[in-house]
Amino acid sequence: QKEVEQNSGPLSVPEGAIASLNCTYSDRGSQSFFWYRQYSGKSPELIMFIYSNGDKEDGRFTAQLNKASQYVSLLIRDSQPSDSATYLCAVMDSGGSNYKLTFGKGTLLTVNP
Amino acid sequence: DTGVSQDPRHKITKRGQNVTFRCDPISEHNRLYWYRQTLGQGPEFLTYFQNEAQLEKSRLLSDRFSAERPKGSFSTLEIQRTEQGDSAMYLCASSPEGGNIQYFGAGTRLSVL
Repeated sequence: QKEVEQNSGPLSVPEGAIASLNCTYSDRGSQSFFWYRQYSGKSPELIMFIYSNGDKEDGRFTAQLNKASQYVSLLIRDSQPSDSATYLCAVMDSGGSNYKLTFGKGTLLTVNP
Repeated sequence: DTGVSQDPRHKITKRGQNVTFRCDPISEHNRLYWYRQTLGQGPEFLTYFQNEAQLEKSRLLSDRFSAERPKGSFSTLEIQRTEQGDSAMYLCASSPEGGNIQYFGAGTRLSVL
């Protein structure tokens, strides 16, 4: 059973701070990793994807991948109240050709004004 | 590009009734996925189509569930003899050939009374 683990939170940070969200995965062969943001009652929205070890930056968001440790993280700089949402870590299946995603349970982030 | 469209957005039904949901993927996306999400959980993979071929079904998809994509465009997900445990958000996603990014629709929220 391939698993993706996230701290469910809630993670609470003040406005302007850095929010750090973490994720570990069990399938060592996984190659593609995604962070989705989900507002309450809404569908997941892609924030970042990362395929290679290291950091990938996009605006206020930085994804970090360490395949040796099977660890993915998302940093949100200058957090805004509008960033308050559940952040889902997803890992693409490494076997076969179905491209399915295995999601963690999500981390609820609250940014306090 | 109008995004992934799902219909209906909400469905309330009585236990034992059949329900059918529709998903229209992004134009020219040949891969289509169905996921189910319950409260406090991440989305769970149900099934995957490449064009009209259903290439994988999760063990979550009991024999009461059936999905089709007859012309390789829109897809339907039918649940027969609904049970209260079927209450969830049913999410559809699509991706293009050669692309790993899955774009999600707004989902269909099913409530079984």
